[in-house]
Amino acid sequence: EVPLVESGGGLVKPGGSLRLSCAASGLSFSDSYMSWVRQAPGKGLEWVGRIKRKSDGETTDYAAPVKGRFSISRDDSKKTLYLQMNSLKTEDTAMYYCGTGSACDIWGQGTMVTVSS
Amino acid sequence: DIQMTQSPSSLSASVGDRVTITCRASQGIRTSLSWFQQKPGKAPKSLILAASTLHSGVPSKFSGSGSGTDFTLTISSLQPEDFATYYCQQYYSPPFTFGQGTKLEIK
Repeated sequence: EVPLVESGGGLVKPGGSLRLSCAASGLSFSDSYMSWVRQAPGKGLEWVGRIKRKSDGETTDYAAPVKGRFSISRDDSKKTLYLQMNSLKTEDTAMYYCGTGSACDIWGQGTMVTVSS
Repeated sequence: DIQMTQSPSSLSASVGDRVTITCRASQGIRTSLSWFQQKPGKAPKSLILAASTLHSGVPSKFSGSGSGTDFTLTISSLQPEDFATYYCQQYYSPPFTFGQGTKLEIK
């Protein structure tokens, strides 16, 4: 059983929107802070953002390049994390990973997002 | 924002060698630091959290140390499967920045 499985990636035009999902299994999702991290082709890891657990207010934090355009949410009843991406730019092209905790202790396998006209 | 600087950016070593990778934070982060290993085409894997605590299932050949601004990852007795890219990340204060990575290659 894979603990985290991302989905929703694909090809989108600049200015478009996409919503990524991260389905969790076999872990205490509702007790976990959750994060998104991305990696552009051939580049290093870049932290995207984090959402705290409900008991800590589900507070979110974002990296500067995505603040105001991306939004992280969670549905604990479905054990699913989301990343809503709006006003996408070519520089958002990357593999997107979800992970548990503020520093991803467990990682998903990633979903690829390509922003191109 | 806290900047994380890893050194070296690349490193050549032989099977059986012991190597050390350094990560420096631009301000103090106590021990809020993780290390990750990534192999080509694969998701990263957590090795160490809280600067020195081995993640579950990670062999004891990996060790981490440091606090404040200076941290090290040491890998003893390198094996072929250890050749990969290694990243540090601070989670003391958002944004939780990564180092630029250290590519460990076979000599």
